[in-house]
Amino acid sequence: AQTVTQSQPEMSVQEAETVTLSCTYDTSESDYYLFWYKQPPSRQMILVIRQEAYKQQNATENRFSVNFQKAAKSFSLKISDSQLGDAAMYFCAYRSQGSNQFYFGTGTSLTVIP
Amino acid sequence: DAGITQSPRHKVTETGTPVTLRCHQTENHRYMYWYRQDPGHGLRLIHYSYGVKDTDKGEVSDGYSVSRSKTEDFLLTLESATSSQTSVYFCAISGGTSGSYNEQFFGPGTRLTVL
Repeated sequence: AQTVTQSQPEMSVQEAETVTLSCTYDTSESDYYLFWYKQPPSRQMILVIRQEAYKQQNATENRFSVNFQKAAKSFSLKISDSQLGDAAMYFCAYRSQGSNQFYFGTGTSLTVIP
Repeated sequence: DAGITQSPRHKVTETGTPVTLRCHQTENHRYMYWYRQDPGHGLRLIHYSYGVKDTDKGEVSDGYSVSRSKTEDFLLTLESATSSQTSVYFCAISGGTSGSYNEQFFGPGTRLTVL
């Protein structure tokens, strides 16, 4: 099974500042998908951003962007202009193109300080 | 959000009793999944389904069974609940036809407490 590692159990950021959450993964596949999900206190899992491995360009969704380093098997999430509503647990996830199983990291709890 | 509901949303039960959690989708997605979420473990796959009556085990399937008799419903059963099965359970779907094939959409979760 693929392994997804989030080495930062907790992170904090000042409101309006930028924060980067780390994710690494272990795979021998060349075609796969990577995701960041947000889980606010409501518990609902919300897709933040996704990246196809065959695309060299880093995905961006408004204030959220990724730094995808395929050779290093690294997929970090950058949140710019942090807002109080960004406070949540963030999960990194992996899916091989040839499979319908998803593998999740253990999550990073993000606190936004007013 | 995709149309995914879970029932019940909260349940407290006693050790040794059977429990069934239901996931219902209105999106006609092919794949359905059951995960459990525990602190420090993230989301762990219990079982998944790739079609009606087609299911397979995930990494933490012991003590759980599933059934899928219709596209829209995926049931998770704890035959004899134990305290170690106290957790938050999430249903997820993927494999739609609207271009969102690659990601999963999640239900709201069910908090299960086994006393």
